[in-house]
Amino acid sequence: AQSVSQHNHHVILSEAASLELGCNYSYGGTVNLFWYVQYPGQHLQLLLKYFSGDPLVKGIKGFEAEFIKSKFSFNLRKPSVQWSDTAEYFCAAGAYNTDKLIFGTGTRLQVFP
Amino acid sequence: DAGVIQSPRHEVTEMGQEVTLRCKPISGHDYLFWYRQTMMRGLELLIYFNNNVPIDDSGMPEDRFSAKMPNASFSTLKIQPSEPRDSAVYFCASSLGPPLYEQYFGPGTRLTVT
Repeated sequence: AQSVSQHNHHVILSEAASLELGCNYSYGGTVNLFWYVQYPGQHLQLLLKYFSGDPLVKGIKGFEAEFIKSKFSFNLRKPSVQWSDTAEYFCAAGAYNTDKLIFGTGTRLQVFP
Repeated sequence: DAGVIQSPRHEVTEMGQEVTLRCKPISGHDYLFWYRQTMMRGLELLIYFNNNVPIDDSGMPEDRFSAKMPNASFSTLKIQPSEPRDSAVYFCASSLGPPLYEQYFGPGTRLTVT
């Protein structure tokens, strides 16, 4: 069955530190990949997405993610985090031509000034 | 567009009472999803609709939960009777469907059952 794994459950960083959150999916076919962010008390918002083409995807607020097909990974990165990046981050995958997304369990990021 | 609209934003009810959560998807979106978010289980898909028809309700926890979509602009999720373990944030999301099925989430309903 299709699944998405986020191995980092809770990450604590200081401002200006670099960030990388892991995401692995299990599906052999074509997949579309997403990162969503949920700021405290708010709903999920799309951060970035990958459908095809350049495996390095740039999203909002300086975030980027790299799709590595051989590793079934779609890790999220940001060179220098800010206190305002404190949020929960969800990776999601959808097999091509299926209706629904499978979400990972989320990674809670805390950034301290 | 106003985005996905959910009501109420907060609901506090006593065990045994009926609870109805409401969702208005983005106009033109063919798919509507209901999710539940808890600390223990994260984000769970409960049920989703395509063109107002329920497609997959395998995530609905038990018969106390039911969902309807009488038309393209309105859906309800009902819990009857409610139990304390139903306390969670319930999100509604809508999308255009494959292949561009980016989902747009509503603000959620925080349900507390005492």
